[in-house]
Amino acid sequence: KNEVEQSPQNLTAQEGEFITINCRYSVGISALHWLQQHPGGGIVSLFMLSSGKKKHGRLIATINIQEKHSSLHITASHPRDSAVYICAVAEETSGSRLTFGEGTQLTVNP
Amino acid sequence: NAGVTQTPKFQVLKTGQSMTLQCAQDMNHNSMYWYRQDPGMGLRLIYYSASEGTTDKGEVPNGYNVSRLNKREFSLRLESAAPSQTSVYFCASSPHPPGQGAQLEQYFGPGTRLTVT
Repeated sequence: KNEVEQSPQNLTAQEGEFITINCRYSVGISALHWLQQHPGGGIVSLFMLSSGKKKHGRLIATINIQEKHSSLHITASHPRDSAVYICAVAEETSGSRLTFGEGTQLTVNP
Repeated sequence: NAGVTQTPKFQVLKTGQSMTLQCAQDMNHNSMYWYRQDPGMGLRLIYYSASEGTTDKGEVPNGYNVSRLNKREFSLRLESAAPSQTSVYFCASSPHPPGQGAQLEQYFGPGTRLTVT
């Protein structure tokens, strides 16, 4: 069983839809990271959070430390949002180790 | 600033050949990382370097060696490539040392797609 599980693995939406991607983890963490991987392969950071909620443009990330769960929401989705979204956690007990989810492939159709 | 650069972008090797993947960053970051990304699996850490002159094993170090040549450069070497090393390799850097989640602030290179036949 993966320590970080994302759902769904694949998601197809129509332009304008509200999208939610979930990340559940089984270890104690000090922080969580959402990343976006473009079709060309490049990976960029979206959010880092250890509590509460962060918003950037149409993207919102929330985390519930007690429930070991984070969500990434995209409002008014657009075809340019099509990418793989990756959740990663920094484990409390391991200073160096980061654990990554497998990623969620999002396709937004016009 | 170029950020994190990697060379080459693509490489095909025969089993048993050796090669070095190069990574450089111009952000004056202390920490650097090498990951591999395989289908159906998350990014996995191969090696990392918390500062110039130090390197440590990650989750999947077997078959690889690294060198932190200076603060800017962190190279990954495959001494005798195997088909199991076919993967996409990402280098990343962070202004923060590993620990307490700060190392999550990582900047990734564009990746090297390696195929070993």
